[in-house]
Amino acid sequence: ELKVEQNPLFLSMQEGKNYTIYCNYSTTSDRLYWYRQDPGKSLESLFVLLSNGAVKQEGRLMASLDTKARLSTLHITAAVHDLSATYFCAAGSNTGNQFYFGTGTSLTVIP
Amino acid sequence: KAGVTQTPRYLIKTRGQQVTLSCSPISGHRSVSWYQQTPGQGLQFLFEYFSETQRNKGNFPGRFSGRQFSNSRSEMNVSTLELGDSALYLCASSLTVRGEQYFGPGTRLTVT
Repeated sequence: ELKVEQNPLFLSMQEGKNYTIYCNYSTTSDRLYWYRQDPGKSLESLFVLLSNGAVKQEGRLMASLDTKARLSTLHITAAVHDLSATYFCAAGSNTGNQFYFGTGTSLTVIP
Repeated sequence: KAGVTQTPRYLIKTRGQQVTLSCSPISGHRSVSWYQQTPGQGLQFLFEYFSETQRNKGNFPGRFSGRQFSNSRSEMNVSTLELGDSALYLCASSLTVRGEQYFGPGTRLTVT
């Protein structure tokens, strides 16, 4: 079974600072997703990464995928309070449609 | 286009009872997956349906079951509820198998 490790679990950062969340997965996967979850809410899709070397950016967030290293990163640039949420990465199974989720990173941006 | 809808949004049940949760996918989406989210175990895959067939099942006891109808709507059932079944149950739909999944708002189940 595909295992996904995400770190850090908790991240407290000041506004304006940069930081990176890491997502490692145990076996081959050709699909990597990043989601955002606000308290009490569902999952909001942020990025879909489908190939080695894929890089996608939206506002202050940038995601990348290295399939050889089985690593994806979510980089936060000049954090703002609105980015406070829990971020999940998920790797897609190669044999079906199920996703295997990381533990989530609870991000708090402090003014 | 309407998103994934789930009913009910909140549910309180007693141990030993059974519960049925419903999910309506985005129009045209034929794949539906279910996930359980708890603080302790995180997000775990329950099952996946495509064209009324269960394609995959996660590591959950047989008390958890599901089905998909010809209109792609899906239901999941949990029998003989336990306290540990308290969770947010999320449904996701995708256009194709292995396509991007879009999540519904979830059903929060509390077992007392």
